[in-house]
Amino acid sequence: AQTVTQSQPEMSVQEAETVTLSCTYDTSESDYYLFWYKQPPSRQMILVIRQEAYKQQNATENRFSVNFQKAAKSFSLKISDSQLGDAAMYFCAYTTQGGSEKLVFGKGTKLTVNP
Amino acid sequence: DGGITQSPKYLFRKEGQNVTLSCEQNLNHDAMYWYRQDPGQGLRLIYYSQIVNDFQKGDIAEGYSVSREKKESFPLTVTSAQKNPTAFYLCASSPHGRGVYEQYFGPGTRLTVT
Repeated sequence: AQTVTQSQPEMSVQEAETVTLSCTYDTSESDYYLFWYKQPPSRQMILVIRQEAYKQQNATENRFSVNFQKAAKSFSLKISDSQLGDAAMYFCAYTTQGGSEKLVFGKGTKLTVNP
Repeated sequence: DGGITQSPKYLFRKEGQNVTLSCEQNLNHDAMYWYRQDPGQGLRLIYYSQIVNDFQKGDIAEGYSVSREKKESFPLTVTSAQKNPTAFYLCASSPHGRGVYEQYFGPGTRLTVT
């Protein structure tokens, strides 16, 4: 069964600094997709970034970037120039191509941004 | 605006009563999903549907039921058989089969059963 592990229940960062959130996953599939979702206090789940496993280039979205290490099954999220609005729960998620496209989520990392 | 709506935002029920949570989307997405979120847990899949009139159990389907009579609607019923129904429930949708695999989420419903 596929599993997603986020080993950091909580992280904190100073405003304007950089922070990296870790995620590892376990799968026997070769084609799959990885995502980072943000859940602020409003509890609305917001897609931050996605990565296709067949792409070697790491995805970037403005201040958010990933370090995708396929062989190590690692998918970390880097937030640069952290802002107060980045404070939220961050969930790593995985799905396979085709099939049901069910998302498998990690348990989340709570990010605090200190002014 | 296109999006996913869930109603109500907060729902209170007495133990032993069935309750139905609403989920509607106007994104023209084929697939819809129901997740449950508990404190300290990620999201866990309850049921999902890829097309109208078809749905499959997720990882924690016991005590829940769904229907998919219309493409835009995927209501979830929490039955009295669900042993611990108090939780935050999230509905999501995705354009299944079009090479896009991320899911888009509604604002959620907080269900409290006493």
